[in-house]
Amino acid sequence: EAQVTQNPRYLITVTGKKLTVTCSQNMNHEYMSWYRQDPGLGLRQIYYSMNVEVTDKGDVPEGYKVSRKEKRNFPLILESPSPNQTSLYFCASRNWYEQYFGPGTRLTVT
Amino acid sequence: AQTVTQSQPEMSVQEAETVTLSCTYDTSESDYYLFWYKQPPSRQMILVIRQEAYKQQNATENRFSVNFQKAAKSFSLKISDSQLGDAAMYFCAYSGGSNYKLTFGKGTLLTVNP
Repeated sequence: EAQVTQNPRYLITVTGKKLTVTCSQNMNHEYMSWYRQDPGLGLRQIYYSMNVEVTDKGDVPEGYKVSRKEKRNFPLILESPSPNQTSLYFCASRNWYEQYFGPGTRLTVT
Repeated sequence: AQTVTQSQPEMSVQEAETVTLSCTYDTSESDYYLFWYKQPPSRQMILVIRQEAYKQQNATENRFSVNFQKAAKSFSLKISDSQLGDAAMYFCAYSGGSNYKLTFGKGTLLTVNP
């Protein structure tokens, strides 16, 4: 079954404590991306990757890092989380025709 | 930069009735895709329907259909015979150019009344 997995699904953390949200896809897609969803703002792209070792900033990259060492994995790293990064995060991968979303990670930073 | 506008933050419809959700977009690209996604309370993003800009025929998926007006840059979603399970947040999205990025509207919350 084609899918994108994310872990953890829920995370509560404190300001400044580094965290990583993992993302993995089993469709051999070259393109992967991260979005955050906030009420009234829709989904906004954080970072994307066109292939292994190729990443670039999206619309709201501040405070985030990513890496793409393997085609299937695209982790999102928050080196020093702040309360304004409390949000719902989606990982996605796509081919030219369709985008597949992970189930989302609800992050709360206190 | 591409932008997507959903002018209706909330809509409501009676069960079995028809409702239309509006979406406009701005782009200088000639080749692109447009999407409607449904997000139920589970928060999962579910693709409802997709339209390729080069196709003149409006896409249809069962009770869901679109009215794609390329010159007006308009892409509305019509839901016929609305069901309680259609209640969700609906997002319009645009994809064009080379980086596969999806640009989303802010969403329309649809309520279905029994």
